Order: sequence, then C-alpha cells, then structure tokens
Amino acid sequence: DIQMTQSPSSLSASVGDRVTITCRASQSISSYLNWYQQKPGKAPKFLIYAASSLQSGVPSRFSGSRSGTDFTLTISSLQPEDFATYYCQQSYSIPYTFGQGTRLEIK
Amino acid sequence: QVQLVQSGSGLKRPGASVKVSCKSSGYTFNNFGLHWVRQAPGQGLEWMGWINTYTGNPTYAQGFPGRFVFSLDTSVSRAYLQISGLRPEDTAVYYCARGLYDSLTGFLFDYWGQGTLVTVSS
Repeated sequence: DIQMTQSPSSLSASVGDRVTITCRASQSISSYLNWYQQKPGKAPKFLIYAASSLQSGVPSRFSGSRSGTDFTLTISSLQPEDFATYYCQQSYSIPYTFGQGTRLEIK
Repeated sequence: QVQLVQSGSGLKRPGASVKVSCKSSGYTFNNFGLHWVRQAPGQGLEWMGWINTYTGNPTYAQGFPGRFVFSLDTSVSRAYLQISGLRPEDTAVYYCARGLYDSLTGFLFDYWGQGTLVTVSS
C-alpha cells in the first residue's frame, strides 16, 4: 500500500496568515493527489485534484503543488472559515489511502 | 444538484448487523463509482472500497473482511453498506462518496454523504 504522510499534524495560525501543509507519498504517484477539507461533524469537502487543479467553487486562495513525491497545499491568506482539518489522498492505486490529517487551528 | 443522503445513526449491540444506505440524486447513478470511507472517533479517513454502479462489482480494501458487504439497488439509485458481526471497534462514522473517474486523475471523491454514525456497544 502507498503510505501518505502529512506534516505538520497540527498547526496554529492567524487570520490573514499564509500556511502550507505538506504530504509525502511513500512511492511515486505522479500527480494523482487530491486534497479535502473537513470541519467538525461534517463530511469532507473536495478541494484540489491532480495535485494542483482547483475544484470548481473553491476559493483561489487555495493552491496545490508537487515536487516529486512531495505535495503541498497552500492557503495564501487564511479566512475564519478555513480553520478545519485537511487530508491528502492518493488516487494512483488501490487502496486509495489518505494522509493522517492536518488540523489547522486559530492562534 | 448532486446529493448523497445517508440513513440515520444508530446504536447496535455487539454481534448484530447494520445496513447503511446512501441515496443518490441529481446525476446518472451508474455513471459514477460509489465509494465508502470510514472515520473512527477522533481519527482520520480510511478508504474501505468501492462498488461499480454499472456492473455491481465491489472492491474491498484489505482491512475490510467479509463482514463488510457493498450492494446496490439501481432502481432507486441507492448503495448499501452492510456490516455483520458488529464489534466495538466498528464504531465509526461511515461515509459514502461519489467517485468521479478520469484516467489522468484516478478516482476523485467529489460529493459525499453526510455520514452515518454506527455505535457498537453493549
């Protein structure tokens, strides 16, 4: 199975900050990497696919990138509604594994 | 609009069975895969497997043995997750998610049900 490792596990930041979350795959997954946002008690929301393509309706302050087997999710200017847990997920091969999540908290 | 609506949460005794339903609307049901994802209390997301809504063929992740069964009723655009022989460690929120497939992206989970909490306790 492909292991997805996110860092950090948690992060404190303020409104307006720029934050970056990293996800590393245990082997090459090309750009088959997706990002989801989950708020407490809610279902995950699909944000980014193919490492850097924004899902329709997702604010442009969200962006994604890839460097080899390392992937990043960047939020350029944090808004109050962005405080949530973020998960990466590889769609390269079954089982479609998720990272362990990064909890983004208000400082 | 696309919606996936799951059945309600419930408490089950160890050894019992539960059948979670996922009703899809707003799209052609058999044009998209239907995936199941588990989230144990306070934990992350775990992909359980998926069912091909065109052929009815299920695929299970290795960590989900024969006690977990995916099925369909395409006449009403519903997918089901049945868990038999429930154990306390099966306590979790179970999500269904629509799988959008493209050869350049693999499966994307673009719409999700609201989740069904199954609590297993005596």
